[in-house]
Amino acid sequence: DAMVIQNPRYQVTQFGKPVTLSCSQTLNHNVMYWYQQKSSQAPKLLFHYYDKDFNNEADTPDNFQSRRPNTSFCFLDIRSPGLGDAAMYLCATSRDRQGGTDTQYFGPGTRLTVL
Amino acid sequence: GQNIDQPTEMTATEGAIVQINCTYQTSGFNGLFWYQQHAGEAPTFLSYNVLDGLEEKGRFSSFLSRSKGYSYLLLKELQMKDSASYLCAVTDSNYQLIWGAGTKLIIKP
Repeated sequence: DAMVIQNPRYQVTQFGKPVTLSCSQTLNHNVMYWYQQKSSQAPKLLFHYYDKDFNNEADTPDNFQSRRPNTSFCFLDIRSPGLGDAAMYLCATSRDRQGGTDTQYFGPGTRLTVL
Repeated sequence: GQNIDQPTEMTATEGAIVQINCTYQTSGFNGLFWYQQHAGEAPTFLSYNVLDGLEEKGRFSSFLSRSKGYSYLLLKELQMKDSASYLCAVTDSNYQLIWGAGTKLIIKP
């Protein structure tokens, strides 16, 4: 089955210790997104790739970086995690257009804990 | 600014019907999505409306009125597994997806 996969599902890191979250997709979608979601809040878009074209949201902290080495994979790097970065990180894909009229398909998420 | 409003929490009884409302103020409109999100899991797609009217899909229906900036999600024959958060999201004129904070639906036996 075509799907969006995120690893790991649960990640624990220490304050200030870099961490990388990964996402892969077998849907062959052009667009990949990273969202941060805290409890009882709306998902907050951090950035997205339209193919290789990187689009950063204006309010995404510099502490967050992303890489998309090929169509299938996308990584979220948090260079120096703070306690406020503890959240669920959701990867999503869509066939075309950023959000547009195309449905976004989500991975299961990675829950990040910062100690 | 852009805004999506949904009730924070609703409670309903198993077997009953519940309507979850969503109002939006966005710069333009290119469609409205409803997603279901179980606790600790990722959102899953439920419905998409771009034209006024009612879209029915099994036990779930979604309604849109663009002139009123209003949508609702109607859930019939509620089951315990329907306990989840329901997120409304709107695509604006720049094709940015604006998310609501979600409505937590609690189903009681």
